[in-house]
Amino acid sequence: GAVVSQHPSWVICKSGTSVKIECRSLDFQATTMFWYRQFPKKSLMLMATSNEGSKATYEQGVEKDKFLINHASLTLSTLTVTSAHPEDSSFYICSAREGTPNTGELFFGEGSRLTVL
Amino acid sequence: AQSVTQPDIHITVSEGASLELRCNYSYGATPYLFWYVQSPGQGLQLLLKYFSGDTLVQGIKGFEAEFKRSQSSFNLRKPSVHWSDAAEYFCAVGAPDSSYKLIFGSGTRLLVRP
Repeated sequence: GAVVSQHPSWVICKSGTSVKIECRSLDFQATTMFWYRQFPKKSLMLMATSNEGSKATYEQGVEKDKFLINHASLTLSTLTVTSAHPEDSSFYICSAREGTPNTGELFFGEGSRLTVL
Repeated sequence: AQSVTQPDIHITVSEGASLELRCNYSYGATPYLFWYVQSPGQGLQLLLKYFSGDTLVQGIKGFEAEFKRSQSSFNLRKPSVHWSDAAEYFCAVGAPDSSYKLIFGSGTRLLVRP
C-alpha cells in the first residue's frame, strides 16, 4: 500500500520553542491530509484538515495560531507547534488520502512523539 | 455529525479463542466504516473498511467485520486470536457531509493470554 512518512519520529524541546513536524506521501499525491493528536491511552482527536494550496480547516477547540498547518505541495504537509508548552506534549499522527474523498483510502504516518520540557 | 462508540475499553482473550470487538456509530445515513489497529508507539494500520455492498467485510490478518444497519454496528471479529494480535483497535467513521474525515472511537485494547 501507499506510504506516509512523518519526521521526526520523536522530538524533545524546551518550553517556548517551536517545533515543526513533516508529513509526506511518498508514492502518491495527496490533496488532503489530516492531522490527529493522541494522548496516552486515548483515541485520536482530529485537529485539522489540510488541503493543498489552501488554508487548513481546524476542528472546534483547536487553536489555529498554536498549531500552524501548511500544505504547500501534493506530497507534503507540515504541522508547527508554536511556543510549545508541556501540555502540548503528545503523539501527533498525520494521514493522507489517496484518490477522491469518497473512494480514497487514508494512510497513516508512524506518528511523531513530542515532549516539551 | 457522525460519532462512534467502542464500549469495551479493554478485552482479554486466550490465544486461539475467538474475538469480537464492538463498534456502534451514530449517523443519519450509512457512513463509511473502518477498523484500524495500532501497536504501541506506532501509527495505524487499516484492517478493513466498509463503503457499500456486502455487509460482511473481509480484512487482513484474518479479521472480518459485519455492518448491521438495524443495530448501527460494525463489530470486528476473528475466529482464532494469535498472540501477535495484542494491540489497540480503533473503529472509525467517515461521512460525505464532513468531507469523509475520519472520527475515531475511543479504542479497545486487546490483551492475549498465552
